[in-house]
Amino acid sequence: GQQVMQIPQYQHVQEGEDFTTYCNSSTTLSNIQWYKQRPGGHPVFLIQLVKSGEVKKQKRLTFQFGEAKKNSSLHITATQTTDVGTYFCAGRAGANNLFFGTGTRLTVIP
Amino acid sequence: NAGVMQNPRHLVRRRGQEARLRCSPMKGHSHVYWYRQLPEEGLKFMVYLQKENIIDESGMPKERFSAEFPKEGPSILRIQQVVRGDSAAYFCASSPSGGGNGYTFGSGTRLTVV
Repeated sequence: GQQVMQIPQYQHVQEGEDFTTYCNSSTTLSNIQWYKQRPGGHPVFLIQLVKSGEVKKQKRLTFQFGEAKKNSSLHITATQTTDVGTYFCAGRAGANNLFFGTGTRLTVIP
Repeated sequence: NAGVMQNPRHLVRRRGQEARLRCSPMKGHSHVYWYRQLPEEGLKFMVYLQKENIIDESGMPKERFSAEFPKEGPSILRIQQVVRGDSAAYFCASSPSGGGNGYTFGSGTRLTVV
C-alpha cells in the first residue's frame, strides 16, 4: 500500500534558526498537501503542490515538490515560537484518498 | 460559516460499550473523511463518504467499526464493543469535492476506553 514517510520525526531548534522537514513517498503522487497541527489541536491545511518541481512560498515557509513527484519538503526560515507544532505532508496517488505522512514535531526554544 | 463540527469533544467508554462519533461537514461540503490518530502518531485514513454512499472504507477495521453519512444529519462513526486499543483521537474532515484544495478538519473526538 501507499506509504508516506517523513524525516526527521522530531526537531528542536533555537528561535531564529531554520527548519526543514522532508517527505518521501513509495509511489508517484498526483499532488501533495501540507498540514500543521498545533499541540492538542487539529490539522490545518497549509498548501497543495501539483506540478513536478513546483515551489511555493508563504511568508517564511517554502514548499517544494520533487521532479519525480515522489518527495517534498517544507522549509521554515527564522523560526518563531508560533511555528511550534507537527507538520504533516499528505500525498495522493491518482484519485485515491489522501495518505498522511508520519509527521515532524517541531519545538522552538525561545 | 461554521467549520467542521465534531461531537463530543471527549468521550469515555467502558470496554464492551458502543461509541458514536458525529461529524457535521462544512456548509457546502459533500465529502467526508474519517481519520484516527494515536498519541504521538500520524493520521490513519479510515473511510471516505459522500451523502448516502461509502466511497472507500479500505482503512476501516473489518469488525466493530462502521460509518454512515445519511441524506439528512451528520456523518456517524460507530464503534461497537470498544476495546482499550480503540482509544485515540478521531478526526473528521470535509471537502467540497475530492479534496483538491485541501481538507477542513474538525476539532476531533478524543475517545478513551477504560
